[in-house]
Amino acid sequence: DTGVSQNPRHKITKRGQNVTFRCDPISEHNRLYWYRQTLGQGPEFLTYFQNEAQLEKSRLLSDRFSAERPKGSFSTLEIQRTEQGDSAMYLCASSSRLAGGGTDTQYFGPGTRLTVL
Amino acid sequence: SQQGEEDPQALSIQEGENATMNCSYKTSINNLQWYRQNSGRGLVHLILIRSNEREKHSGRLRVTLDTSKKSSSLLITASRAADTASYFCAPYSGAGSYQLTFGKGTKLSVIP
Repeated sequence: DTGVSQNPRHKITKRGQNVTFRCDPISEHNRLYWYRQTLGQGPEFLTYFQNEAQLEKSRLLSDRFSAERPKGSFSTLEIQRTEQGDSAMYLCASSSRLAGGGTDTQYFGPGTRLTVL
Repeated sequence: SQQGEEDPQALSIQEGENATMNCSYKTSINNLQWYRQNSGRGLVHLILIRSNEREKHSGRLRVTLDTSKKSSSLLITASRAADTASYFCAPYSGAGSYQLTFGKGTKLSVIP
């Protein structure tokens, strides 16, 4: 399977614990995005990487959230001191630059569903 | 970035019927994308239509774009039970940001 993969698919944790999610993008894609989606809502943008550089961060990304993309390949999203409000589906997407500029098609992974008890 | 607003919020049709859902946005765009999401899954890209295009087809999907009305529509012809999903539009304005901003989507139910 050459699509975007995410691990784990499900995570249940207790409030106050730290969690880390991993995203493996499509191999030739240099852009990687993290989104968060709660029930009944569309995905909300969290952050964006071009290669290993984190170029854009949403105001939603509090200081308890940190994302990395070492070597411009896979990415991790860590949430420290989780809160019940962090319960959501965390989606990763990747893309590569369209010829001629403009946004490019983002290909999404299956998501990691986080439940904070 | 700007958010698209999908309408209706929910749509229920019989298998074989056509389904039409609409998207409105507020400012000028570079392009607009439609995505599908099956329950509990990630989003699947359906179509990207550029601002200089008026209509685009892909299989049973037809997307139209009216930049004067700042709206787009997605038509699914001869619907199938497998088309049951939420559909999201993502208008893209550019201006140095690559994030997509999604609305709440249209939840389509196709009854066999």
